[in-house]
Amino acid sequence: GENVEQHPSTLSVQEGDSAVIKCTYSDSASNYFPWYKQELGKRPQLIIDIRSNVGEKKDQRIAVTLNKTAKHFSLHITETQPEDSAVYFCAASILANFNKFYFGSGTKLNVKP
Amino acid sequence: DTAVSQTPKYLVTQMGNDKSIKCEQNLGHDTMYWYKQDSKKFLKIMFSYNNKELIINETVPNRFSPKSPDKAHLNLHINSLELGDSAVYFCASSPRGGPGELFFGEGSRLTVL
Repeated sequence: GENVEQHPSTLSVQEGDSAVIKCTYSDSASNYFPWYKQELGKRPQLIIDIRSNVGEKKDQRIAVTLNKTAKHFSLHITETQPEDSAVYFCAASILANFNKFYFGSGTKLNVKP
Repeated sequence: DTAVSQTPKYLVTQMGNDKSIKCEQNLGHDTMYWYKQDSKKFLKIMFSYNNKELIINETVPNRFSPKSPDKAHLNLHINSLELGDSAVYFCASSPRGGPGELFFGEGSRLTVL
């Protein structure tokens, strides 16, 4: 099955700085890569996603890049704010008749005011 | 009008007991999942059902038995609970094929004493 590795496990930045979280995957059949944000005590929620036919996607302060050849993808958050503090999960999925999602181990982001 | 709802939210029980967690989604999705999130926040897929049929069983002990009476419901029954079963269990659903977003329930925190 798919194996998703995520780094770093914790990340502490100053408000206004950028944060980068990196993930690698093993199954070349994976074609959909979502990122989820989980605030303390809450459910994971989708913040951005990218499909394998796209190399980069941006949504305001958040961007995701994908390198299919190297099988890695990254989340970039610019101008971080304290409300960005949360655990972020990357995932790899094969969108087909039956979607299968495999998650990375999570990155705890702490944005210091 | 909660999209994915699961009950109970909290469950405290003794080792050796049997317990169930219920999940319902009103999004019309075909696929439902159970994920386990341990104390280190790792999100591990346990089961996936597509239109009442089991499609993923990720080497979960057979003390865990999912049941899907219809495509809107996926319940999880756990027999002979062990200390290591303590975790937050998330139910989730996704539409068949694309666009791929995984919708999570609020989670059920199980504590085994």
